[in-house]
Amino acid sequence: GAVVSQHPSRVICKSGTSVKIECRSLDFQATTMFWYRQFPKQSLMLMATSNEGSKATYEQGVEKDKFLINHASLTLSTLTVTSAHPEDSSFYICSASTSDYNEQFFGPGTRLTVL
Amino acid sequence: GQNIDQPTEMTATEGAIVQINCTYQTSGFNGLFWYQQHAGEAPTFLSYNVLDGLEEKGRFSSFLSRSKGYSYLLLKELQMKDSASYLCAGMDSNYQLIWGAGTKLIIKP
Repeated sequence: GAVVSQHPSRVICKSGTSVKIECRSLDFQATTMFWYRQFPKQSLMLMATSNEGSKATYEQGVEKDKFLINHASLTLSTLTVTSAHPEDSSFYICSASTSDYNEQFFGPGTRLTVL
Repeated sequence: GQNIDQPTEMTATEGAIVQINCTYQTSGFNGLFWYQQHAGEAPTFLSYNVLDGLEEKGRFSSFLSRSKGYSYLLLKELQMKDSASYLCAGMDSNYQLIWGAGTKLIIKP
């Protein structure tokens, strides 16, 4: 159990375009979803935390107008990278947790390349 | 501030035992996690400790000492597939995970 999917797994886009990444909890209801970014050979960097039906809480230094997060239901959260630039190229990973917070279940990640 | 320290890289031999250490400083404490991450993939959960002591799960064990702010992950009977990065993460009082930079484990035949 506790499966989280992410779509797409890979995306290549042109600079200036927007990209939407979906994160779904397939067999449980996720009270909270987390969006991370990971650059090569670095650890996970938390971008934002979102709870269903409320606005996401962004970490310091993360532009909320550039990285739009929508947590529409207990099983779906989306991250939209608006006006993407080459420096936004990274591995984006979502995770989901239930109300007891004991574990975060990770999606398989999305590799974004902005040309 | 909050901080997680773990070695950058370790090398071990197939069939041997390796211990990966982690020290943590968090604002409040709600547990210590270990994740395994293969290159190009998302992390997968290995263990969670919130009380002092050793938790054993097959070839992997995890230890916690809250008074020392210290944990380790012990891997026995190493296999080539264990080559990966191992991420230590502490959960603070807000239930946020504070991540270490990861320890890259290289297994040699």
